[in-house]
Amino acid sequence: GAVVSQHPSWVICKSGTSVKIECRSLDFQATTMFWYRQFPKQSLMLMATSNEGSKATYEQGVEKDKFLINHASLTLSTLTVTSAHPEDSSFYICSARDLGGADYDTEAFFGQGTRLTVV
Amino acid sequence: KQEVTQIPAALSVPEGENLVLNCSFTDSAIYNLQWFRQDPGKGLTSLLLIQSSQREQTSGRLNASLDKSSGRSTLYIAASQPGDSATYLCAPTTIKLNSGYALNFGKGTSLLVTP
Repeated sequence: GAVVSQHPSWVICKSGTSVKIECRSLDFQATTMFWYRQFPKQSLMLMATSNEGSKATYEQGVEKDKFLINHASLTLSTLTVTSAHPEDSSFYICSARDLGGADYDTEAFFGQGTRLTVV
Repeated sequence: KQEVTQIPAALSVPEGENLVLNCSFTDSAIYNLQWFRQDPGKGLTSLLLIQSSQREQTSGRLNASLDKSSGRSTLYIAASQPGDSATYLCAPTTIKLNSGYALNFGKGTSLLVTP
């Protein structure tokens, strides 16, 4: 299957600093990527949809000024957690679909996830 | 809003048993449904993709069925092995305005297969 690479796999930062997470589709182009957050023993919650060349679409309750998303190319989307606080500590995962034929018919692939700990 | 429920939440079985994991979803207007595996602290590995027009998909010891009209899917694992221990997630794809085709997740079934 297609490969989605996410970096870093884990990061520890001080409260008030910003952290950038990268999501790359290695062997396919993805006009749309998705960012999820997962708290311990909880389901993945969609945070935002990242569209190449346009503004991201955020889910209700997700602060767009805090979670900055940039989808500058067909293979790279970044999520920046600005002014991070301990409550932002979580597991962040990106996803992308290989366009293939019709977009909605294709399989979604996920990155390895990033464990963010804010101290 | 799509709600996904997976039963059981946790399951512990001895090696060799056949298993059935259940998934239900509230909005039957889905485009496809995927089953994933998640190991602790890791990302998601896609196991099976069932298109909305399909009834089932098979891959090795895994078989997934889909009853779209009733909002149900099951994942059948044959001859379970300790390496199957993980959390299994089902995720139907529904269209979201301005968000494209997004996956909706339940909390998953945590499976432990003991030697």
